Amino acid sequence: QQQVKQSPQSLIVQKGGISIINCAYENTAFDYFPWYQQFPGKGPALLIAIRPDVSEKKEGRFTISFNKSAKQFSLHIMDSQPGDSATYFCAASLRSGPGALNFGKGTSLLVTP
Amino acid sequence: DTAVSQTPKYLVTQMGNDKSIKCEQNLGHDTMYWYKQDSKKFLKIMFSYNNKELIINETVPNRFSPKSPDKAHLNLHINSLELGDSAVYFCASSPPGRRETQYFGPGTRLLVL
Repeated sequence: QQQVKQSPQSLIVQKGGISIINCAYENTAFDYFPWYQQFPGKGPALLIAIRPDVSEKKEGRFTISFNKSAKQFSLHIMDSQPGDSATYFCAASLRSGPGALNFGKGTSLLVTP
Repeated sequence: DTAVSQTPKYLVTQMGNDKSIKCEQNLGHDTMYWYKQDSKKFLKIMFSYNNKELIINETVPNRFSPKSPDKAHLNLHINSLELGDSAVYFCASSPPGRRETQYFGPGTRLLVL
């Protein structure tokens, strides 16, 4: 049972453009929503995360937008660069729980020069 | 370097064999995890230990047995390997009181022939 649904599966963006990846979750008890970035042959790396008490969080060129009523959140990458080409995973978890991250299926992002 | 490390990085073996993967973290974290990433890149939690105590035990064949000798180490032993066990296995760890913030190792790529 997929608790977090992620789209699109793949995305091609030109350098300088905005990359947008969307996620939706089912369990309203989830209270922590991280995004991970994974380069080929590497482990996932925590990129940015948000809690449901805020609607937006920005770190550099990366922004998470969060819509609690719609149970959706998204990652925006501004001024996308070729070095951003990677697979991005959204996830959801319970901060008070044992810590399991429920991942989306991933989005493969390619930023063309 | 402070990090989550895994050995071996690659593991190629025959069906029916028994193998182990080791994980170590020197971040001072108290919770460690095993995730499996399948051929479609989907990441799924398998096990988690907090201070040597098993706290997550997902629906995983009992051929998989985790062991945590201390809070800095988590090993995964797999008996009677099957073709379907071929995947990338990631170890992760999280700091005290912040289980949702997980740092991943580089992965162990297991190929069962």
